[in-house]
Amino acid sequence: ETGVTQSPTHLIKTRGQQVTLRCSSQSGHNTVSWYQQALGQGPQFIFQYYREEENGRGNFPPRFSGLQFPNYSSELNVNALELDDSALYLCASSLEGEWTYNEQFFGPGTRLTVL
Amino acid sequence: AQTVTQSQPEMSVQEAETVTLSCTYDTSESNYYLFWYKQPPSRQMILVIRQEAYKQQNATENRFSVNFQKAAKSFSLKISDSQLGDTAMYFCAFANSGGGADGLTFGKGTHLIIQP
Repeated sequence: ETGVTQSPTHLIKTRGQQVTLRCSSQSGHNTVSWYQQALGQGPQFIFQYYREEENGRGNFPPRFSGLQFPNYSSELNVNALELDDSALYLCASSLEGEWTYNEQFFGPGTRLTVL
Repeated sequence: AQTVTQSQPEMSVQEAETVTLSCTYDTSESNYYLFWYKQPPSRQMILVIRQEAYKQQNATENRFSVNFQKAAKSFSLKISDSQLGDTAMYFCAFANSGGGADGLTFGKGTHLIIQP
């Protein structure tokens, strides 16, 4: 167990809807990253939040957005869902410094199915 | 942009055998980090081992060791005395130095099956 939790475990939505996924980081971790893992693929980086600000983004459109809160929780919001958004969504928390890379601790993921 | 390639979609070995998983990567950076992650059926990604590119010595963690060849951009994982609990997807991953704002770049994974 990494101490990182995600909710819900599974979610089914229809195309065009909006969804919010939640993550609770390890206590004290100032950074959270979100990844999308399609079936049979490796995770792909969506974005990272550091001290409540987005400080890095992968190749994902603006309809993927996030929030990070002072209580070590965070959200991933996806608007206008498409069928290709069906995937496992992973969050990972870490304690980052400006010039260091520290281990990312992953949650168990939320399985999103878009019909 | 960095790329990570894992050329073995699936591998199967007998319990107690040694197995090596392959990974190659492409980057123009001189300093970076490489990782092997394990993802069991429970889906939670677990860090197995980590290598910093500026360190020449290969990383070792108990039964897990890596063969890091910087010039060849190769980073293989060796699992000795394999156990049934090692059955999982294994992902090779890359990160730039200087903070993680670019996130991890993962390969497509190798499904490792340990047979009793």
